[in-house]
Amino acid sequence: DAGITQSPRHKVTETGTPVTLRCHQTENHRYMYWYRQDPGHGLRLIHYSYGVKDTDKGEVSDGYSVSRSKTEDFLLTLESATSSQTSVYFCAISDLVQGGDYGYTFGSGTRLTVV
Amino acid sequence: AQSVTQLGSHVSVSEGALVLLRCNYSSSVPPYLFWYVQYPNQGLQLLLKYTTGATLVKGINGFEAEFKKSETSFHLTKPSAHMSDAAEYFCAVSDRGGNAGKSTFGDGTTLTVKP
Repeated sequence: DAGITQSPRHKVTETGTPVTLRCHQTENHRYMYWYRQDPGHGLRLIHYSYGVKDTDKGEVSDGYSVSRSKTEDFLLTLESATSSQTSVYFCAISDLVQGGDYGYTFGSGTRLTVV
Repeated sequence: AQSVTQLGSHVSVSEGALVLLRCNYSSSVPPYLFWYVQYPNQGLQLLLKYTTGATLVKGINGFEAEFKKSETSFHLTKPSAHMSDAAEYFCAVSDRGGNAGKSTFGDGTTLTVKP
């Protein structure tokens, strides 16, 4: 019943190479988010989108860019991967409704290793 | 900016014992509040949420949490721990109105359940 999928699930890449992670949803939710998860840091917001072609930065956006050309797809690009970007990346979706925030649905994550 | 503090990065309980995971937030206006659970190698799953109304909220798997405005807390409890509750738990908050549903997460608490 996965309404949100991330690809790839695992990736090893070399320092200095560009990397693109994909998040695909079938829920038609307006809001999409990219977080990274690191031990002892919880989840930190990288970028988010509030509609097609509408994106904004989160708290740890340096070295990352995003694009959203369709409602269902939200791409995260590491422009030139560094070892500090080794992490688990999660995509999340949300459909804010009048009078409330009902939380996120998360993807299964992408484990990225930069060597 | 919002912040979330989860007291205790590791909590260990015996099977059948009370589970208490602590979460405090900093905000002058009560935010939306969430608890998520993460099992190994999986994404996060929403356990429960507080948006408005009754301050004691019930979630999945027998968990509940109480919003206490005076204490700026949203602690998670379960009367009787089960082995299957072993996981990492995250408290999260988001501002009311106009922030595109961005959530700030605590650093997480790993729950161990001993037989």
